Amino acid sequence: GAGVSQSPRYKVAKRGQDVALRCDPISGHVSLFWYQQALGQGPEFLTYFQNEAQLDKSGLPSDRFFAERPEGSVSTLKIQRTQQEDSAVYLCASSLPTSGGQMYNEQFFGPGTRLTVL
Amino acid sequence: AQKVTQAQTEISVVEKEDVTLDCVYETRDTTYYLFWYKQPPSGELVFLIRRNSFDEQNEISGRYSWNFQKSTSSFNFTITASQVVDSAVYFCALSEWGGSEKLVFGKGTKLTVNP
Repeated sequence: GAGVSQSPRYKVAKRGQDVALRCDPISGHVSLFWYQQALGQGPEFLTYFQNEAQLDKSGLPSDRFFAERPEGSVSTLKIQRTQQEDSAVYLCASSLPTSGGQMYNEQFFGPGTRLTVL
Repeated sequence: AQKVTQAQTEISVVEKEDVTLDCVYETRDTTYYLFWYKQPPSGELVFLIRRNSFDEQNEISGRYSWNFQKSTSSFNFTITASQVVDSAVYFCALSEWGGSEKLVFGKGTKLTVNP
């Protein structure tokens, strides 16, 4: 597809369950980002990959959150032992690498995965 | 530390009115980028505009225009002749150069355009 895709679109988990959220970035996009958006709030940064390297994970709220991008394309965000406060929309975004004199390229966002923890 | 403040939580206008969305930002960096994104009810964030800290020239693109003023750390966004399809949540965001390119978002302004 032409855009960023995420699956599943909706996930309901019981407290304590592990979940895995998938992101397929736009082909050729080197940079990949995960954000968490609570209801009525702006997205908050979780982690950033450049190819397969996780360059910034400063936004991950706890060690229950883990992200990977082993082949530099598809990424998975895993949440272990989910808690009710993990309920949110998880957004994935990708962008082209910065090059030459042009700095930041815009990030293209997927539709998100809405996680509800009961 | 980076911070983006959108003081307007909700705005309601009648179709064809002009509307300005306010954004104030904080950063210690001298090089940074500012963005506006739109999030319609479908939920997908849509990129609208980007501005770098070296370019304070204000521009107009169709019905959209923006006013970037470094002196007041503001990056306001105006929609001229609003339409019902403009109804969405609008987010202002900041990204500092030299970091991870992450976006720091404001809390958003919900715009409702009534027919």
